[in-house]
Amino acid sequence: DAGVTQSPTHLIKTRGQHVTLRCSPISGHKSVSWYQQVLGQGPQFIFQYYEKEERGRGNFPDRFSARQFPNYSSELNVNALLLGDSALYLCASSHFYEAFFGQGTRLTVV
Amino acid sequence: AQSVTQPDIHITVSEGASLELRCNYSYGATPYLFWYVQSPGQGLQLLLKYFSGDTLVQGIKGFEAEFKRSQSSFNLRKPSVHWSDAAEYFCAVGASGGSNYKLTFGKGTLLTVNP
Repeated sequence: DAGVTQSPTHLIKTRGQHVTLRCSPISGHKSVSWYQQVLGQGPQFIFQYYEKEERGRGNFPDRFSARQFPNYSSELNVNALLLGDSALYLCASSHFYEAFFGQGTRLTVV
Repeated sequence: AQSVTQPDIHITVSEGASLELRCNYSYGATPYLFWYVQSPGQGLQLLLKYFSGDTLVQGIKGFEAEFKRSQSSFNLRKPSVHWSDAAEYFCAVGASGGSNYKLTFGKGTLLTVNP
């Protein structure tokens, strides 16, 4: 069975640009969450979506947004990129409180 | 709000030695507890989880963890470490707040294994 897949794997953007990250959950999982992991830290919760509705949001600015599609895949969008947005962005799909993570997208903002 | 503390930033052990990684959590109700492992530049792999019941849980790769409610701890152990265990280890608590569910992670413990 395919696990959680994320694309792209690596991305370099310039300050002020916009970025879209994509995630496909494990088949049958209806919940997708996004986490940001900066170097040397644990992942920080950004969003949770369940059945295409936002169910939770972490302490991130409005420049961060997300959505979930009818097939339960998800996109994370970040506008007006800052240098501090450079991080590994992890997507997790969940089933009964157990989260399975993708390999992440490494975003570098220059 | 929930929180997780991993007191040890970096631990070095010799191959074949035993291992214990510490984790303390703060949460008002019975927590869901997890240990994940992360190799450099990779995502997180779930080692084991505790939801309820037996407080000693077994995971993959020979790891186990013990939930101690009185100490708010969920320490990870392995009797004999292999060189391939070198990685970063994260403890996490899962909590529901209304209609949402999220994981709160500790800052991680980097494990180095000496030959």
